[in-house]
Order: sequence, then C-alpha cells, then structure tokens
Amino acid sequence: GNSVTQMEGPVTLSEEAFLTINCTYTATGYPSLFWYVQYPGEGLQLLLKATKADDKGSNKGFEATYRKETTSFHLEKGSVQVSDSAVYFCALIINSGGSNYKLTFGKGTLLTVNP
Amino acid sequence: NAGVTQTPKFQVLKTGQSMTLQCAQDMNHNSMYWYRQDPGMGLRLIYYSASEGTTDKGEVPNGYNVSRLNKREFSLRLESAAPSQTSVYFCATHRVYEQYFGPGTRLTVT
Repeated sequence: GNSVTQMEGPVTLSEEAFLTINCTYTATGYPSLFWYVQYPGEGLQLLLKATKADDKGSNKGFEATYRKETTSFHLEKGSVQVSDSAVYFCALIINSGGSNYKLTFGKGTLLTVNP
Repeated sequence: NAGVTQTPKFQVLKTGQSMTLQCAQDMNHNSMYWYRQDPGMGLRLIYYSASEGTTDKGEVPNGYNVSRLNKREFSLRLESAAPSQTSVYFCATHRVYEQYFGPGTRLTVT
C-alpha cells in the first residue's frame, strides 16, 4: 500500500533559523507529492506540490524537491518566522481511477518558532 | 465564494446519541471526502464520494455513514456515537492535484 513517513515533532526553532522537515514515501504507482499546512484552529491548506520526479515545489519561502531515487520530499525554509508556527503534513496521491483521488497523509510535524 | 463549509463547529454528544455533520461546497467539484484527525495519527479517510450518487469506504469507515445529497452537499452521520469517535472531522473537495479543506468540526463524545 501507500504510506508517508515524516519526522516526528515537535520542532522548536528560533526566528530566522533554517528549517528542514523530512518526508519519505512508499507508493504503488507514480505519486504526486504535497505539503499541507494547518494553522491553529483551522483546516489544512496546500502549501506546495510536485507532480513528477525532480520537480521543485515552492511557496512562501518554503521549498521541497521530488526525489524519486530516495523516495523523499523534504520541506525546507531558509529563515523561519513566528508566523510559520503550524502543523505541517506531507502527503501523496495516486490516481486510483476515474476521479477517485485519495490522499495519504503523514502524521504531521508541529513547528513552533520563537521570537 | 465560501469554499468548503462545515456545520457545526463544535459538538458534544453522549455515548449512544446520533448526529449528522454537514458539509457543503460552492466550487462545483465532483469529489468530496470526510477525514478524521487524531493526535499523532495524521488525517485518516473515513468515506469519499467521487461524484454525485456514489460513495465509497475509506480507511476507517466503521461507525459512520454518509450521504451525497447532491453535488454540493456531503454529510457524515454517526448513528450511535462512541468515545472513540471523539476527533476533529474535516470535509474536503478535490480538483486536479489539490484538495480544499473545510474548517473542521470538533466532536467530543462523553
């Protein structure tokens, strides 16, 4: 089956520190990969995505590169801000036919950024 | 556009009570989903609907039923709530490569 493994948190950083959250996956088929972010009290929002090997997704200073050879999609940001404090989810999707798109999520990583 | 809306935002039930969580979308998407979120478990798919008139089980369907009333609305019903169903429930829709989530319903079963 499909699965996503991401580094366990919580992760606590000081403002302007470098962030890496590791994500690896196993998949039957060719997945598209995603990072979602959940701010306190809210639903999930798509942060970035990559749909094929070597693609780099980027948004709001965050980046992740689809590495097929290592089955990884690590999230990075060069300088985090207090406003980046949230839970980050790595996810994959494989088209199981027709319009049945089912996301598989990692367990989430809580990031806290201190001023 | 409201996107994906869910009602209620919060609910407390006693064991054995029933309730329906409502979800509506105004994005004209075919696919809709119900997830539950538990600490340390990520999001797990309960049921999904690929199009109006179809529903399928996800990873954790036991204790739940769903209805795809029309293209806009997808409801989740708990017939006899149990404490194990205490969770945050999210509805979502799907359009190519992106799922759009509602704000969630926090349900506590005592």
